[in-house]
Amino acid sequence: GENVEQHPSTLSVQEGDSAVIKCTYSDSASNYFPWYKQELGKGPQLIIDIRSNVGEKKDQRIAVTLNKTAKHFSLHITETQPEDSAVYFCAARPNSGYSTLTFGKGTMLLVSP
Amino acid sequence: SAVISQKPSRDICQRGTSLTIQCQVDSQVTMMFWYRQQPGQSLTLIATANQGSEATYESGFVIDKFPISRPNLTFSTLTVSNMSPEDSSIYLCSVAGKADEQFFGPGTRLTVL
Repeated sequence: GENVEQHPSTLSVQEGDSAVIKCTYSDSASNYFPWYKQELGKGPQLIIDIRSNVGEKKDQRIAVTLNKTAKHFSLHITETQPEDSAVYFCAARPNSGYSTLTFGKGTMLLVSP
Repeated sequence: SAVISQKPSRDICQRGTSLTIQCQVDSQVTMMFWYRQQPGQSLTLIATANQGSEATYESGFVIDKFPISRPNLTFSTLTVSNMSPEDSSIYLCSVAGKADEQFFGPGTRLTVL
Protein backbone atom coordinates (compact mmCIF):
# COMPACT_ATOMS: atom_id res chain seq x y z
CA GLY A 1 0.00 0.00 0.00
CA GLU A 2 0.84 3.68 -0.06
CA ASN A 3 3.41 5.06 2.40
CA VAL A 4 3.80 8.80 3.04
CA GLU A 5 6.85 10.27 4.78
CA GLN A 6 6.69 13.86 6.07
CA HIS A 7 9.53 16.14 7.21
CA PRO A 8 10.32 17.92 9.39
CA SER A 9 8.29 16.82 12.41
CA THR A 10 8.65 20.29 13.95
CA LEU A 11 9.48 23.63 12.36
CA SER A 12 10.05 26.94 14.11
CA VAL A 13 10.22 30.18 12.13
CA GLN A 14 10.07 33.89 12.79
CA GLU A 15 7.05 35.86 11.67
CA GLY A 16 7.51 36.95 8.06
CA ASP A 17 9.83 34.08 7.16
CA SER A 18 8.90 31.29 4.75
CA ALA A 19 8.16 27.71 5.82
CA VAL A 20 8.54 24.58 3.70
CA ILE A 21 7.21 21.13 4.57
CA LYS A 22 8.13 18.15 2.41
CA CYS A 23 6.45 14.80 1.79
CA THR A 24 7.40 11.74 -0.22
CA TYR A 25 5.11 8.93 -1.31
CA SER A 26 5.71 5.41 -2.50
CA ASP A 27 2.84 4.50 -4.85
CA SER A 28 3.39 5.83 -8.36
CA ALA A 29 -0.36 5.43 -8.97
CA SER A 30 -1.15 8.22 -6.48
CA ASN A 31 -2.64 11.23 -8.21
CA TYR A 32 -4.22 13.37 -5.48
CA PHE A 33 -2.22 15.19 -2.79
CA PRO A 34 -4.05 17.33 -0.21
CA TRP A 35 -2.66 19.35 2.68
CA TYR A 36 -4.50 19.84 5.97
CA LYS A 37 -4.04 22.33 8.80
CA GLN A 38 -5.10 21.23 12.27
CA GLU A 39 -5.30 23.82 15.02
CA LEU A 40 -5.41 22.76 18.64
CA GLY A 41 -8.78 21.29 19.56
CA LYS A 42 -10.12 21.34 15.99
CA GLY A 43 -10.54 18.95 13.12
CA PRO A 44 -8.18 19.01 10.10
CA GLN A 45 -8.97 21.76 7.59
CA LEU A 46 -8.23 21.26 3.89
CA ILE A 47 -6.05 24.22 2.87
CA ILE A 48 -4.82 23.27 -0.59
CA ASP A 49 -4.56 20.23 -2.83
CA ILE A 50 -2.88 19.27 -6.08
CA ARG A 51 -3.58 16.62 -8.66
CA SER A 52 -1.02 14.81 -10.74
CA ASN A 53 -1.66 16.76 -13.93
CA VAL A 54 -0.43 19.98 -12.28
CA GLY A 55 3.12 20.79 -11.08
CA GLU A 56 2.33 23.77 -8.87
CA LYS A 57 -0.70 25.44 -7.34
CA LYS A 58 -0.92 28.69 -5.39
CA ASP A 59 -3.53 30.22 -3.13
CA GLN A 60 -2.44 33.57 -1.69
CA ARG A 61 0.42 32.85 0.75
CA ILE A 62 0.41 29.08 0.34
CA ALA A 63 1.60 26.98 -2.56
CA VAL A 64 2.11 23.30 -3.24
CA THR A 65 4.59 21.80 -5.70
CA LEU A 66 4.57 18.26 -7.04
CA ASN A 67 7.39 16.26 -8.61
CA LYS A 68 5.91 12.99 -9.85
CA THR A 69 9.23 11.65 -11.10
CA ALA A 70 10.79 11.97 -7.67
CA LYS A 71 7.48 11.16 -5.89
CA HIS A 72 7.56 14.15 -3.63
CA PHE A 73 5.43 17.18 -2.96
CA SER A 74 5.92 20.22 -0.76
CA LEU A 75 3.90 22.90 1.01
CA HIS A 76 5.28 26.44 0.93
CA ILE A 77 3.97 29.17 3.22
CA THR A 78 5.31 32.67 2.63
CA GLU A 79 5.18 35.68 4.96
CA THR A 80 4.25 33.47 7.89
CA GLN A 81 2.02 34.83 10.63
CA PRO A 82 1.44 33.62 14.21
CA GLU A 83 -1.98 32.29 13.17
CA ASP A 84 -0.23 29.89 10.80
CA SER A 85 0.96 27.99 13.90
CA ALA A 86 -0.65 24.56 13.76
CA VAL A 87 0.02 20.94 12.81
CA TYR A 88 0.11 20.36 9.05
CA PHE A 89 -0.58 16.97 7.46
CA CYS A 90 0.12 15.89 3.92
CA ALA A 91 -1.71 12.97 2.32
CA ALA A 92 -1.74 10.94 -0.87
CA ARG A 93 -4.36 8.88 -2.61
CA PRO A 94 -3.90 6.31 -5.37
CA ASN A 95 -6.37 6.26 -8.25
CA SER A 96 -9.68 8.00 -7.64
CA GLY A 97 -13.23 7.30 -6.64
CA TYR A 98 -13.33 5.08 -3.58
CA SER A 99 -9.60 4.96 -2.78
CA THR A 100 -8.64 6.30 0.63
CA LEU A 101 -6.10 8.86 1.81
CA THR A 102 -2.82 7.89 3.44
CA PHE A 103 -1.52 10.59 5.79
CA GLY A 104 1.95 11.69 6.78
CA LYS A 105 2.82 11.93 10.48
CA GLY A 106 2.41 15.68 10.61
CA THR A 107 4.57 18.79 11.07
CA MET A 108 4.10 21.11 14.01
CA LEU A 109 4.75 24.65 12.75
CA LEU A 110 5.44 27.37 15.30
CA VAL A 111 5.58 30.96 14.08
CA SER A 112 7.08 33.32 16.64
CA PRO A 113 6.16 37.02 16.63
CA SER B 1 -17.28 22.64 1.24
CA ALA B 2 -19.62 20.51 3.36
CA VAL B 3 -20.47 21.58 6.91
CA ILE B 4 -19.97 18.65 9.27
CA SER B 5 -21.04 18.45 12.90
CA GLN B 6 -20.27 15.80 15.48
CA LYS B 7 -21.88 14.93 18.80
CA PRO B 8 -20.65 14.79 21.46
CA SER B 9 -17.68 17.12 21.11
CA ARG B 10 -16.00 15.41 24.05
CA ASP B 11 -16.77 12.80 26.68
CA ILE B 12 -15.21 11.03 29.63
CA CYS B 13 -16.29 7.40 29.95
CA GLN B 14 -15.67 4.46 32.24
CA ARG B 15 -13.94 1.35 30.94
CA GLY B 16 -16.28 -1.36 29.78
CA THR B 17 -18.96 1.04 28.58
CA SER B 18 -19.84 2.08 25.02
CA LEU B 19 -20.17 5.48 23.37
CA THR B 20 -22.00 6.35 20.16
CA ILE B 21 -20.70 9.31 18.16
CA GLN B 22 -22.97 11.04 15.66
CA CYS B 23 -21.94 12.75 12.43
CA GLN B 24 -24.31 15.06 10.55
CA VAL B 25 -23.59 16.67 7.16
CA ASP B 26 -25.48 19.62 5.67
CA SER B 27 -25.70 18.02 2.22
CA GLN B 28 -26.03 14.55 0.76
CA VAL B 29 -22.70 12.79 0.35
CA THR B 30 -21.86 9.38 -1.05
CA MET B 31 -18.73 8.60 0.95
CA MET B 32 -18.33 9.04 4.70
CA PHE B 33 -15.28 7.96 6.66
CA TRP B 34 -14.40 7.50 10.32
CA TYR B 35 -10.86 8.18 11.55
CA ARG B 36 -9.05 7.83 14.85
CA GLN B 37 -6.32 10.24 15.95
CA GLN B 38 -4.43 9.13 19.01
CA PRO B 39 -2.78 11.86 21.12
CA GLY B 40 -0.05 13.63 19.17
CA GLN B 41 -0.40 11.24 16.24
CA SER B 42 -1.58 11.23 12.65
CA LEU B 43 -4.96 10.14 11.32
CA THR B 44 -5.81 6.45 10.96
CA LEU B 45 -8.79 5.33 8.93
CA ILE B 46 -11.16 3.07 10.85
CA ALA B 47 -13.76 2.41 8.16
CA THR B 48 -15.66 3.72 5.17
CA ALA B 49 -19.39 4.07 5.81
CA ASN B 50 -21.56 3.23 2.82
CA GLN B 51 -25.24 4.07 2.72
CA GLY B 52 -27.37 0.97 2.45
CA SER B 53 -24.57 -1.52 3.00
CA GLU B 54 -22.12 -2.64 5.66
CA ALA B 55 -19.14 -0.47 6.43
CA THR B 56 -15.74 -1.42 5.03
CA TYR B 57 -13.19 -1.76 7.84
CA GLU B 58 -9.44 -1.24 7.63
CA SER B 59 -6.94 -3.75 8.90
CA GLY B 60 -6.87 -3.78 12.68
CA PHE B 61 -10.44 -2.56 13.13
CA VAL B 62 -13.45 -4.87 13.53
CA ILE B 63 -17.18 -4.38 13.44
CA ASP B 64 -17.75 -5.80 16.92
CA LYS B 65 -15.54 -3.10 18.43
CA PHE B 66 -16.54 -0.21 16.13
CA PRO B 67 -20.05 -0.79 14.77
CA ILE B 68 -21.10 1.84 12.24
CA SER B 69 -24.50 2.85 10.93
CA ARG B 70 -25.26 4.89 7.80
CA PRO B 71 -29.03 5.18 7.56
CA ASN B 72 -29.03 7.96 4.94
CA LEU B 73 -26.79 10.22 2.86
CA THR B 74 -26.37 12.91 5.54
CA PHE B 75 -25.86 10.95 8.78
CA SER B 76 -23.66 8.26 10.30
CA THR B 77 -22.81 6.92 13.74
CA LEU B 78 -19.72 5.23 15.12
CA THR B 79 -19.93 3.26 18.37
CA VAL B 80 -16.83 2.55 20.42
CA SER B 81 -17.71 -0.63 22.31
CA ASN B 82 -16.42 -2.11 25.56
CA MET B 83 -14.00 0.77 25.95
CA SER B 84 -10.56 0.61 27.51
CA PRO B 85 -8.10 3.46 28.23
CA GLU B 86 -6.35 2.61 24.93
CA ASP B 87 -9.46 3.86 23.11
CA SER B 88 -8.81 7.40 24.37
CA SER B 89 -8.47 9.36 21.13
CA ILE B 90 -10.04 11.93 18.90
CA TYR B 91 -12.60 10.36 16.57
CA LEU B 92 -13.16 12.22 13.32
CA CYS B 93 -15.91 12.00 10.74
CA SER B 94 -14.98 12.85 7.16
CA VAL B 95 -16.90 13.17 3.90
CA ALA B 96 -15.95 13.19 0.24
CA GLY B 97 -16.83 16.37 -1.65
CA LYS B 98 -18.09 16.73 -5.20
CA ALA B 99 -14.54 17.00 -6.57
CA ASP B 100 -13.49 13.94 -4.56
CA GLU B 101 -11.70 16.02 -1.93
CA GLN B 102 -12.17 15.15 1.75
CA PHE B 103 -13.48 17.35 4.53
CA PHE B 104 -13.34 16.66 8.26
CA GLY B 105 -15.65 17.34 11.14
CA PRO B 106 -14.52 18.97 14.39
CA GLY B 107 -13.89 15.64 16.11
CA THR B 108 -15.02 13.92 19.30
CA ARG B 109 -12.48 13.87 22.10
CA LEU B 110 -12.85 10.68 24.10
CA THR B 111 -11.18 9.93 27.41
CA VAL B 112 -11.62 6.46 28.92
CA LEU B 113 -10.84 6.05 32.61
